[in-house]
Amino acid sequence: DTGVSQDPRHKITKRGQNVTFRCDPISEHNRLYWYRQTLGQGPEFLTYFQNEAQLEKSRLLSDRFSAERPKGSFSTLEIQRTEQGDSAMYLCASSSAGGPYNEQFFGPGTRLTVL
Amino acid sequence: AQSVAQPEDQVNVAEGNPLTVKCTYSVSGNPYLFWYVQYPNRGLQFLLKYITGDNLVKGSYGFEAEFNKSQTSFHLKKPSALVSDSALYFCAVSDYNFNKFYFGSGTKLNVKP
Repeated sequence: DTGVSQDPRHKITKRGQNVTFRCDPISEHNRLYWYRQTLGQGPEFLTYFQNEAQLEKSRLLSDRFSAERPKGSFSTLEIQRTEQGDSAMYLCASSSAGGPYNEQFFGPGTRLTVL
Repeated sequence: AQSVAQPEDQVNVAEGNPLTVKCTYSVSGNPYLFWYVQYPNRGLQFLLKYITGDNLVKGSYGFEAEFNKSQTSFHLKKPSALVSDSALYFCAVSDYNFNKFYFGSGTKLNVKP
């Protein structure tokens, strides 16, 4: 399967702990997006990378959230000092600047539960 | 600021009947509009988009959407619904360079046999 993959699929943590999620986009895609989705809501934009450069970051994203894409391939999203309100599905999507770059391919998501 | 609204949390339709899932938008500048579908335990899948050109856009699985500038709407349609179309549908709008996307709250489509 050459789609977008995310790891882990599920994460349960205690409040105050740090967590890190990984996203592997489709190999030729240079655009990568992170979203957060809570129950009954649509995906909420968090941040966007073009290659290794983080070009957009939501103002809703607190300083506890950080994302990287060090070599322009996979990306990580870290949440420090997790809070119960961070419980959500975290989605990654990628697209290609060379093709129909406005069509995003989504991964299956990482479901985070903060106890 | 860009935003979309999906006024219906749920749409129920009988198999074989036409379906419409509504979306209205609010943008500054030209609207770039999308529809995605989310099946249970699966990631979101792209259905179709409007960037420019014809107001009637055709997409995957027999879906189409009509862009209406005067009504600021981008409703998703299908002439004949299938039970397998039952899923969660999201309308989205992007900024001018496709760096940020804004999704609606979703509409659950139930197609009954």
